[in-house]
Amino acid sequence: TQLLEQSPQFLSIQEGENLTVYCNSSSVFSSLQWYRQEPGEGPVLLVTVVTGGEVKKLKRLTFQFGDARKDSSLHITAAQPGDTGLYLCAGGDMDSNYQLIWGAGTKLIIKP
Amino acid sequence: KAGVTQTPRYLIKTRGQQVTLSCSPISGHRSVSWYQQTPGQGLQFLFEYFSETQRNKGNFPGRFSGRQFSNSRSEMNVSTLELGDSALYLCASSLTSAPQETQYFGPGTRLLVL
Repeated sequence: TQLLEQSPQFLSIQEGENLTVYCNSSSVFSSLQWYRQEPGEGPVLLVTVVTGGEVKKLKRLTFQFGDARKDSSLHITAAQPGDTGLYLCAGGDMDSNYQLIWGAGTKLIIKP
Repeated sequence: KAGVTQTPRYLIKTRGQQVTLSCSPISGHRSVSWYQQTPGQGLQFLFEYFSETQRNKGNFPGRFSGRQFSNSRSEMNVSTLELGDSALYLCASSLTSAPQETQYFGPGTRLLVL
C-alpha cells in the first residue's frame, strides 16, 4: 500500500515568515498534486507536477517534485493570513489506475 | 458555472441507521468520485462513477454503496451506521474519468453518528 506522509502536521507562524511543508513517500508517483482546503469547504487544486525535478510557482507559493518522483515540497514566501488552511498532497498511483493517494495534510495557521 | 453541490451539509444519525448523501456535479462533468475525510487520516477514496457505471472502488466495506443517475448526479448510501463512520464525505466531479483529470470538490456533508 502506497503512503504519503506530510510534515509537519501542524504549523503556526507569524505573517511575513517563510515556511516549507513536505510530502514524502517510499513509492514513485506518476504525478503529485497540492490542494488547499479551508474550513467548511472542499479541497481546491493548487498545482499538479508530473516531471521529476519540476518546479512550479504560483505567486508566493513554490512547488517542487523530487527528482525520483517520490517526494514534493511546498514553500510559501512571506506568508499571509489568507494562506491559512489545510494543505493536502495527493499522488497518482501508477499501480492502481492512477488513483490518487492522499496525505493527511498540514494544517497551517498564519497569525496577523 | 455553478460548482459541485452536496446535500445535506450536516447530518446526525444514530448507530444502526442508514443514510443517503447526494452530489450534483458541475454541469457537463460526467465523473463523480466520493471520499471520506477524517482528522489525521486524509482523504480515503470510496468509489468513482462515470456514465452511471462504477469505475473504481476503494477499500471500504459493502455497507458503503453508491450510484449515478443519467444526469450525472450521484448518491452514496451507508447502511447500518457505525460510530467510526462519522466523517466529512466529499464528492468531486471531473469532465472525464481520465487519469489526472482535474477534480472539483464540493463542500462536503458532515456526518455525525451517535
